[in-house]
Amino acid sequence: EPEVTQTPSHQVTQMGQEVILRCVPISNHLYFYWYRQILGQKVEFLVSFYNNEISEKSEIFDDQFSVERPDGSNFTLKIRSTKLEDSAMYFCASRSLAGKDTDTQYFGPGTRLTVL
Amino acid sequence: AQSVTQLGSHVSVSEGALVLLRCNYSSSVPPYLFWYVQYPNQGLQLLLKYTSAATLVKGINGFEAEFKKSETSFHLTKPSAHMSDAAEYFCAVLYPGYSSASKIIFGSGTRLSIRP
Repeated sequence: EPEVTQTPSHQVTQMGQEVILRCVPISNHLYFYWYRQILGQKVEFLVSFYNNEISEKSEIFDDQFSVERPDGSNFTLKIRSTKLEDSAMYFCASRSLAGKDTDTQYFGPGTRLTVL
Repeated sequence: AQSVTQLGSHVSVSEGALVLLRCNYSSSVPPYLFWYVQYPNQGLQLLLKYTSAATLVKGINGFEAEFKKSETSFHLTKPSAHMSDAAEYFCAVLYPGYSSASKIIFGSGTRLSIRP
């Protein structure tokens, strides 16, 4: 069964460093998302992406964040200068626009980002 | 404002007992509703969803949920708990038509523990 994959599973970085989190969405999906979950808190929406542009972003998604689909398979989240409060689990999700499951977002296993 | 509330951050039941996890949403328009499960150190797995068809929805692992518009609820149940059901459960809503991106709004989660 197709699934969303994310790399790395765990990323440790120093405050102020840039990180890139990578996701490979399900191959025929066209809508992509990033969410994050700070330890012990709820999962929060960050950004959605369609047709090579951001569709919607939350107030969390400030100028330090950017997303990109550099090729036909990867979807990345970049944090330019990490802060301690960026430490969280980051989930990628994708959604199809065809078929019977267009309302369902499929989530990857997450990348745990630790900022020291 | 659109929101989803999960009553009880932690629920503990005995193996074989009924599982009931509560979820209420606030909405002026009919939402889509989801339950996701997160096993330790894993990603979010879709348990079941309601998308305006049958109000009683059956999902994986013997779980089901009933959409009650009059109560704005979507409680998750399982007749007989199994040790493998121990996990974090998230109720989530999506408002179709609110935006083309249709971001998911998650509840704060309920940790389900199973006593032997």
